[in-house]
Amino acid sequence: GEDVEQSLFLSVREGDSSVINCTYTDSSSTYLYWYKQEPGAGLQLLTYIFSNMDMKQDQRLTVLLNKKDKHLSLRIADTQTGDSAIYFCAEVLTTDSWGKFQFGAGTQVVVTP
Amino acid sequence: DGGITQSPKYLFRKEGQNVTLSCEQNLNHDAMYWYRQDPGQGLRLIYYSQIVNDFQKGDIAEGYSVSREKKESFPLTVTSAQKNPTAFYLCASRRGLGAKNTEAFFGQGTRLTVV
Repeated sequence: GEDVEQSLFLSVREGDSSVINCTYTDSSSTYLYWYKQEPGAGLQLLTYIFSNMDMKQDQRLTVLLNKKDKHLSLRIADTQTGDSAIYFCAEVLTTDSWGKFQFGAGTQVVVTP
Repeated sequence: DGGITQSPKYLFRKEGQNVTLSCEQNLNHDAMYWYRQDPGQGLRLIYYSQIVNDFQKGDIAEGYSVSREKKESFPLTVTSAQKNPTAFYLCASRRGLGAKNTEAFFGQGTRLTVV
């Protein structure tokens, strides 16, 4: 497809792991990003991964990249109530010299006690 | 502190009026972007600019205009031609041209409501 796709909603219990999935469009995308948006706020960069990597870990966050399937996932370990937010994945299209970001629609994560 | 600032946080517009949203950055970034966010639709690109006095239309530029007279500033005008302007508007900046210039930094957004 033409769009970056994400599931729209995820509910998770506090203390469990969350996994947010994303499929992207450009098999030659160099950089893939995860952003977090809290209510009424801008987007905050969580992490990014280079396309020559399969995995990146940063404290509670683990990013997995499957280039063959153009699939990106974000795992949040020991999910906390402060993790409730919208999570966006984004790619930078290498075919575009401006380096435009292509965002998914965002996954609303709700953490329940 | 370096960052990107949008103002105002909330803006109300009467039908038929033009309004201008401010975006200022002190990160010395070359590239700046305007996005529109509607519930459940993610971010859609309105305009973007790589250098001073140059900018390009994004996917939904109709009814909007921009200027880039200074590197630090990229104001967005929502004109009366925009039929459904009520939305959350986000400004972003990046270091420069090309995918290797890593992440975009975002402002805190402006919520525009037509009354």
